[in-house]
Amino acid sequence: DAGVTQSPTHLIKTRGQHVTLRCSPISGHKSVSWYQQVLGQGPQFIFQYYEKEERGRGNFPDRFSARQFPNYSSELNVNALLLGDSALYLCASSLESSRNTGELFFGEGSRLTVL
Amino acid sequence: AQSVSQHNHHVILSEAASLELGCNYSYGGTVNLFWYVQYPGQHLQLLLKYFSGDPLVKGIKGFEAEFIKSKFSFNLRKPSVQWSDTAEYFCAVSRTGGSQGNLIFGKGTKLSVKP
Repeated sequence: DAGVTQSPTHLIKTRGQHVTLRCSPISGHKSVSWYQQVLGQGPQFIFQYYEKEERGRGNFPDRFSARQFPNYSSELNVNALLLGDSALYLCASSLESSRNTGELFFGEGSRLTVL
Repeated sequence: AQSVSQHNHHVILSEAASLELGCNYSYGGTVNLFWYVQYPGQHLQLLLKYFSGDPLVKGIKGFEAEFIKSKFSFNLRKPSVQWSDTAEYFCAVSRTGGSQGNLIFGKGTKLSVKP
């Protein structure tokens, strides 16, 4: 079975540009979460979507946005890129949001470098 | 604000040595606790989790963790490490009843096991 897939795996942007990162959850998973992992730090929560609705938002500026599609895939958008946005962006899927079943399944991430 | 502290940034052990990685969290309410592992070149995966019940939790590959509520701790242990345990280990917390996609991670502990 396919795990969580993310694209692109690596990308380089310049300051001020916009980026879109994509995530396909495990089949049957309706919840998708996005995390930012800066080098040397643990993942930091950005968003969670469940059934196409935002269920949680971390402490990130409005330049960060996301959405979930009817097939449960998701996009993370970042506008007006800053050097500090350089990080590994992780997508995680899980079965449901309404109850704590516990396990998040992570993709391998999209490594964004902002020059 | 909730936070997770992992005491060791990098731990170096020889094979067969015992392992204990510290994790403390700050949150006044009821929490769910997790240890995730990231092997070199792989994605984050769940090692073990605690929701309720027996505070001694057993996970995959011989790992276990003990929840000590009075100390706000959830330390990870393994009696005898193997070279294949070389990885980065992340402790994470979520609020009980909250969104399961919203985990707060520690900064991680890199474990290097010498053969």
